Amino acid sequence: DAGVTQSPTHLIKTRGQQVTLRCSPKSGHDTVSWYQQALGQGPQFIFQYYEEEERQRGNFPDRFSGHQFPNYSSELNVNALLLGDSALYLCASSPLGLATGELFFGEGSRLTVL
Amino acid sequence: GDSVTQMEGPVTLSEEAFLTINCTYTATGYPSLFWYVQYPGEGLQLLLKATKADDKGSNKGFEATYRKETTSFHLEKGSVQVSDSAVYFCALRTGNQFYFGTGTSLTVIP
Repeated sequence: DAGVTQSPTHLIKTRGQQVTLRCSPKSGHDTVSWYQQALGQGPQFIFQYYEEEERQRGNFPDRFSGHQFPNYSSELNVNALLLGDSALYLCASSPLGLATGELFFGEGSRLTVL
Repeated sequence: GDSVTQMEGPVTLSEEAFLTINCTYTATGYPSLFWYVQYPGEGLQLLLKATKADDKGSNKGFEATYRKETTSFHLEKGSVQVSDSAVYFCALRTGNQFYFGTGTSLTVIP
């Protein structure tokens, strides 16, 4: 049973560029959340997708956008990259309604903005 | 707003020592509380959880009790092992959103 998979694992971009990160949820999970983890910090909630719609959003600017596909996989897009966007981006999946209350995390995509 | 505050690290202990990592929270309503662990080179994984006041979560020798009166969820283990070296995150869930602490790095030396 594959867990949460993310790609790419590492990438380097320059300021002003755009980036797309991808996530496949754990089998049987239909809800995907994205988190940003800066170095030495805890994960910060970006947004959550369910039924192909953004269900909840954290305190992140509109430069951060996402999408969920019919197969429940998801993308995170960041436009007009800033140096401060350098972080580990984590995808987490959960089953319908967070019944177990648990998030299952991928290993993350480490973004470096130069 | 909702938030979690956990003990600053890093923490270094000798094998078989007693571990406590403090965690306090601020939340409206009745959150669920979690401890996640991040081993070197791996993603976050759930260590234990508690969904209501006075519940005790336990796993792999770790324990934490949901204390509503002190708004705390301290992580304890009676005898740590080298394999427990990792970063530990306290978290709370309200609705669909999780709030994480800043993490406490634990190193256990033989």
